[in-house]
Amino acid sequence: AQSVSQHNHHVILSEAASLELGCNYSYGGTVNLFWYVQYPGQHLQLLLKYFSGDPLVKGIKGFEAEFIKSKFSFNLRKPSVQWSDTAEYFCAVGGATNKLIFGTGTLLAVQP
Amino acid sequence: NAGVTQTPKFRILKIGQSMTLQCAQDMNHNYMYWYRQDPGMGLKLIYYSVGAGITDKGEVPNGYNVSRSTTEDFPLRLELAAPSQTSVYFCASSYPAGVTGAPGELFFGEGSRLTVL
Repeated sequence: AQSVSQHNHHVILSEAASLELGCNYSYGGTVNLFWYVQYPGQHLQLLLKYFSGDPLVKGIKGFEAEFIKSKFSFNLRKPSVQWSDTAEYFCAVGGATNKLIFGTGTLLAVQP
Repeated sequence: NAGVTQTPKFRILKIGQSMTLQCAQDMNHNYMYWYRQDPGMGLKLIYYSVGAGITDKGEVPNGYNVSRSTTEDFPLRLELAAPSQTSVYFCASSYPAGVTGAPGELFFGEGSRLTVL
């Protein structure tokens, strides 16, 4: 069955620290991959997406993610976080079943 | 410029009541989804549809029903509401993308906050 795991449930960083959030998925075929962000009181916004091609994907607000097919992973990175990056981050995977499944999310708190 | 429209935004139900959450999109997207979001649980897929007349169960379908008579509309029906259905519900639409036609990015409605007492 299609599933997504986000191993970091809560992450606390200081401003200017580097960020890496893990995402692993379980699915036997070709996938579309996504990272979404949810700021407090708002609905989800797309950070970046991967369909095919260059496995290093750049998104908005300085975020990037790398698809490693052999590890079934799509980790999110940012070299230097800001206080305004405080939010919840969700990884999502879509496959040929046409389901789009989300991970349980990672709550990021950035301390000024 | 409406995108995905969900109604109502807020609703309080008594146990055993039923209701329908409405969802409409004007982007001519084939794919539509209903999710519920609970704290610490992420978004769980309830039902989805790949086109008019076609629906399928997601991760947590029990207690819900859907229909897709048109491309635009995808209502979610709650029969016999239970406290466990207290949640925020999101409708979303998407399009085929990538080499397999798997869903592309989701376009979300504003959400419906449902409380069952």
